[in-house]
Amino acid sequence: AQKVTQAQTEISVVEKEDVTLDCVYETRDTTYYLFWYKQPPSGELVFLIRRNSFDEQNEISGRYSWNFQKSTSSFNFTITASQVVDSAVYFCALSESMTTDSWGKLQFGAGTQVVVTP
Amino acid sequence: EPEVTQTPSHQVTQMGQEVILRCVPISNHLYFYWYRQILGQKVEFLVSFYNNEISEKSEIFDDQFSVERPDGSNFTLKIRSTKLEDSAMYFCASTPPSRNTEAFFGQGTRLTVV
Repeated sequence: AQKVTQAQTEISVVEKEDVTLDCVYETRDTTYYLFWYKQPPSGELVFLIRRNSFDEQNEISGRYSWNFQKSTSSFNFTITASQVVDSAVYFCALSESMTTDSWGKLQFGAGTQVVVTP
Repeated sequence: EPEVTQTPSHQVTQMGQEVILRCVPISNHLYFYWYRQILGQKVEFLVSFYNNEISEKSEIFDDQFSVERPDGSNFTLKIRSTKLEDSAMYFCASTPPSRNTEAFFGQGTRLTVV
């Protein structure tokens, strides 16, 4: 069963528009972490944000913000005033193994391709 | 800033050959991981490694694969008798002793089996 679902396969926007990426997760653990990673065309995975299951406070970091709602098991991510350099695949990921030696084991969603055109 | 380093960045091998992908984790990290990403697909966990032994492995990580930490700095993934479907990007990651942080990923090795 899918642990992390990113229903949007591709989003296309014009520069300066906001982009919101959806992520729904499934877990029985009470302690877990959620992440967003960016994968630009060059292929590397770039860490963006991390949230633990006890902290539902939503924050803004520069042009990035996130909306974590445990009641709906969602962890959405927004890029404000998008730029061409934001074009990439964005992955949502879940770590359930916080009490084991595999706590860095991440379960990734399928990713959402964001295309920002000038 | 410390980073996870992977070599080579791209490797082409013939089907049936053995390949070794190399990673140098961040020096004070204790937990090491390999992930695989087939082109256009999601990133998948292969194996985690701690205290010189496998902590956890996925269904993908069958007898064809092995991991090793041959010295104090390198962490390797060996794929025996490669198949066409092993073509993918392979990411190494490491995490520090503190659990209050993210996994640090290397830039990946693109393996092409021909």
